[in-house]
Amino acid sequence: KNQVEQSPQSLIILEGKNCTLQCNYTVSPFSNLRWYKQDTGRGPVSLTIMTFSENTKSNGRYTATLDADTKQSSLHITASQLSDSASYICVVRPMLMFSGGYNKLIFGAGTRLAVHP
Amino acid sequence: ETGVTQTPRHLVMGMTNKKSLKCEQHLGHNAMYWYKQSAKKPLELMFVYSLEERVENNSVPSRFSPECPNSSHLFLHLHTLQPEDSALYLCASSQDATGTTYEQYFGPGTRLTVT
Repeated sequence: KNQVEQSPQSLIILEGKNCTLQCNYTVSPFSNLRWYKQDTGRGPVSLTIMTFSENTKSNGRYTATLDADTKQSSLHITASQLSDSASYICVVRPMLMFSGGYNKLIFGAGTRLAVHP
Repeated sequence: ETGVTQTPRHLVMGMTNKKSLKCEQHLGHNAMYWYKQSAKKPLELMFVYSLEERVENNSVPSRFSPECPNSSHLFLHLHTLQPEDSALYLCASSQDATGTTYEQYFGPGTRLTVT
């Protein structure tokens, strides 16, 4: 069964510190992996996207890594800010095995990050 | 602002009520989606529409009825809901439903409480 597991479930850090969020998946083969940020009361917004051949992708203070061999991805946040407080969701898109079909995204449950002053 | 709007943002309804959720996208996309988000659970895909045609119905109870009158609007009609249906309902859109790199753009969601 295709699954995406994220850890930790929640995390509290002090402003200015770095942190790393983990995503393990069993989806295979897969087309790409995205990290989304979801602020409270808002919908998810894409931070990064990586295909199976990419190892790392940055977006400002956010850096995502991907190890397709171990089926692991991580999201590293550098010099955290209060505005980083949000849920971070790992999403994997399976490889479409036939044309014309719809392959639904596989979502993780998210990591809830709280950045305290 | 992602270009996807949802109304209402909050809704409280009794189990015998009938209500509708509305989603509108201003991005010129051809695919629209309904998701259910419950606390500490992954997003659950409910329905997918591509060019106003339903292409995915993810075993959703019939008390949820989607409608897509055109490629910019999507509705979710609700009737005789159960308390366990209380959740955040998210609408999303993408360029199309099959492109592997097309990003899904999410609306802010409707927080639904069933009493």
